[in-house]
Amino acid sequence: KAGVTQTPRYLIKTRGQQVTLSCSPISGHRSVSWYQQTPGQGLQFLFEYFSETQRNKGNFPGRFSGRQFSNSRSEMNVSTLELGDSALYLCASSVTGDNSPLHFGNGTRLTVT
Amino acid sequence: AQSVTQLDSHVSVSEGTPVLLRCNYSSSYSPSLFWYVQHPNKGLQLLLKYTSAATLVKGINGFEAEFKKSETSFHLTKPSAHMSDAAEYFCVVSPYSSASKIIFGSGTRLSIRP
Repeated sequence: KAGVTQTPRYLIKTRGQQVTLSCSPISGHRSVSWYQQTPGQGLQFLFEYFSETQRNKGNFPGRFSGRQFSNSRSEMNVSTLELGDSALYLCASSVTGDNSPLHFGNGTRLTVT
Repeated sequence: AQSVTQLDSHVSVSEGTPVLLRCNYSSSYSPSLFWYVQHPNKGLQLLLKYTSAATLVKGINGFEAEFKKSETSFHLTKPSAHMSDAAEYFCVVSPYSSASKIIFGSGTRLSIRP
C-alpha cells in the first residue's frame, strides 16, 4: 500500500507570493490533517479535513487555507507569504481521524526569502 | 485539559546500550498515547500505540513502552541501541476525538555514540 505522498518536497518562495502544497493520503483514508513544524514552535495543527469538509482548524491566520477533494486528496494554500512561514509542512492521513493512528508524509520544506 | 511533557530534549547513548526516553502526560480521562519517530527531513513514523488494551506495548524496531497510570508516564525503551535509531522522538497524547486534539510533545533528540 502506498504511503502518504506530499508534493513538492522543497519550495523556495519570496515574501508576498502564494503557495499550494499537495497531499495524497493512503488509499481508504478519509481524514487528512496538516501540521506546521518549526524549530521554535514544534508541531502545530493547521486543519483537518474529512469527506471534503473542514472538520477543525488550528490557530493560524486566514492566509492559511485548505481543501479536500472527493478522492480524499488535499491541498493547502498559503497566501501573502511571510518569512515566518518558512517551515516543514506535514500532512497526515488516518482512516477516520478519531483516535486512529496518523500516517505522515515526508513533508514539504518551504523556505520564504 | 491535556498535556504531554518529554523530560529530556536530548539523550545520548552508546551503541549497544539501553535507551530510555521519558514522557509524562496529563489527561482528565484515559487517553490514547503514541510514540512517533522522525528521521531528518522525513515525516513522523508511528512506533507504537497504547489504547488501554495492555500496559506494556511493543512497537517496531525493538522499541516498547509501558503505560503507568499511577505515574502518568509512558516512557519509551529499547534494550540495545543501534546507530540507525538516531532520530527525533515524539510522545503524543490523543483523546477520543479528531486529529485536531492531538498534542505533540516537544521531542527528544536521540544520539547514538559508536
